[in-house]
This record gives sequence, structure tokens and C-alpha cells, in this order.
Amino acid sequence: EAGVAQSPRYKIIEKRQSVAFWCNPISGHATLYWYQQILGQGPKLLIQFQNNGVVDDSQLPKDRFSAERLKGVDSTLKIQPAKLEDSAVYLCASSSDRYHGYTFGSGTRLTVV
Amino acid sequence: GQQLNQSPQSMFIQEGEDVSMNCTSSSIFNTWLWYKQDPGEGPVLLIALYKAGELTSNGRLTAQFGITRKDSFLNISASIPSDVGIYFCAGPNSNSGYALNFGKGTSLLVTP
Repeated sequence: EAGVAQSPRYKIIEKRQSVAFWCNPISGHATLYWYQQILGQGPKLLIQFQNNGVVDDSQLPKDRFSAERLKGVDSTLKIQPAKLEDSAVYLCASSSDRYHGYTFGSGTRLTVV
Repeated sequence: GQQLNQSPQSMFIQEGEDVSMNCTSSSIFNTWLWYKQDPGEGPVLLIALYKAGELTSNGRLTAQFGITRKDSFLNISASIPSDVGIYFCAGPNSNSGYALNFGKGTSLLVTP
């Protein structure tokens, strides 16, 4: 079974620029998550999708972050404009509503300078 | 979300030693999960616990769901160099579905 695919692996941008990350979940997984992992911390949930609907985006800084999951498959997370404190690894995960099927991608490491 | 406190923050041990780490929560959980994260990769599930008092093993790893439902323990026996990584405990995010709250992790270094 193919894993969760994310791209790009690395991105360096200047503050106030915009950036987008892409995630392709495991085939058939209805639930997709975006997590932010700051260096030295555990992952923190940003947003959860069930198919193409948002289940929870309470921790998403909506003034600068946006996410969509068109057609209930791929997802894109965008930051506009970026701040220095957005430097982190952005992890995408998908699940079939079971903890054992909960799979993370390798993440995108964002550096904002 | 719920606070998860992991200890120790880091461990530096010799190959062959046993390792113990734990996680405590500010609130009751009905599920505890333990993940391992290698550099440059996403977390990988090691063990899932679903009942208070449950003791579950996965090879050299053993985890326990505390009877108070506010803590969990992970033990690694006879450590080997490939055990190096960051170990995270996690529990359900009370707000939504199967989203998770994670601790800050225990960093494990193993010397040959």
C-alpha cells in the first residue's frame, strides 16, 4: 500500500511570501489531517477533513492559513503571508477512522527567513 | 486541548540497556498511543492502548495504559542502535474524530 505523499520536502521562503504544500493521502482514506510540528515539539493539529468537509479547524490561524480538499482526495495547505514563527515541519496524515490505519507522510520542512 | 507531559525529555543509554519513559495527561483518556519519529520522517505508530490497565507488547516494546487513565508508560528492552529517535505519546483530541494531541517527546540516543 502506498503511503501518504507530500511535496515539496523542503521549502525556504522570505517572510511575507506565500507558500503551498500538497498532500495525497492513502487511497480510500476518508479522513485527512494537517499537523504543524515546531522543532522540539510534538505535532499540533491544524485542520481535519472528513472527505471534502472540514471537521475541525479550531487551531488553524485563519488570518494567514487556508486549506482545501477538493473532491475528497488531495489536499493543499497554504500560508499567506508567512511569518518567521511559521518555520516548522508540516505533516499530513490520513486515516480510515481507525488509529491503526493512521499514517503520516514524511512532511514538508518550511524555513521562513 | 489536553496537556500531555512526557518524561524524561531525553535519554542517552548504552546498547543493551532497558529504557522506560512515561506520559501524563491533565485529563482522562480512553485511548493512549505511542509513536516513534525518525529524523526527516513522520511519526510511526508503535502501540495503541484502549483499556485502563491494558499491557501491550510489540517485540521489545511494552506499553501500559495507567489505571487512572491519566498516564501511560513505554518500556524498551535490550535497546539497539536503531531504537534511536523521538518517542511521542498521544491521545485523542477531544474536539474531533480521530485527531490527536501529542506530548513533546522523549529523545532517545543509544551508543553501541
